[in-house]
Amino acid sequence: GDSVTQMEGPVTLSEEAFLTINCTYTATGYPSLFWYVQYPGEGLQLLLKATKADDKGSNKGFEATYRKETTSFHLEKGSVQVSDSAVYFCARSASGNQFYFGTGTSLTVIP
Amino acid sequence: GAVVSQHPSRVICKSGTSVKIECRSLDFQATTMFWYRQFPKQSLMLMATSNEGSKATYEQGVEKDKFLINHASLTLSTLTVTSAHPEDSSFYICSAPPGASGARNEQFFGPGTRLTVL
Repeated sequence: GDSVTQMEGPVTLSEEAFLTINCTYTATGYPSLFWYVQYPGEGLQLLLKATKADDKGSNKGFEATYRKETTSFHLEKGSVQVSDSAVYFCARSASGNQFYFGTGTSLTVIP
Repeated sequence: GAVVSQHPSRVICKSGTSVKIECRSLDFQATTMFWYRQFPKQSLMLMATSNEGSKATYEQGVEKDKFLINHASLTLSTLTVTSAHPEDSSFYICSAPPGASGARNEQFFGPGTRLTVL
């Protein structure tokens, strides 16, 4: 069935390290894809999105490219900061404005 | 961007009592809102779809008599946890699509409500 599979964490990186969080999806059509970030004790905030194949979403140094051929939407950042420590959720749209979420990946960046 | 608020942000109640959580779209109208539940260190689980002016649609396994949803206006949906028990303790998050003025299939999320049942 339709789903989102996300790299399990937790992930711990040193400041300025390169980040990749893998995300793949299954879908019968061409959904919109999203990355959301959740800081401790807060709700979800949209980090970036892509609505069609080959689109690249970017925000705050984070990037993800909609790859139809590999059904992936991996999140990357070239140099993480301590303030990037959070839980990251990959999501895809579904019918009726619903969303399917991945399980979330906890990122901790140490100075 | 569109803003969704939730109230309260945190609530502690005794077992057996009922708790109401409000979800408001502050600068747009939302005919549909979604309620999610998030367990510690887990993903969001869709509980129900709240429809303005009609009954909510519940996901399989969610007790509709336990989690009462009312979408009385185009900017307000409420979730009432009735006869709460400790296992209902969780983080509840609502979301709403921004409507015609927003991007396709986008969602705006509220900041969440932390419910603790003693």
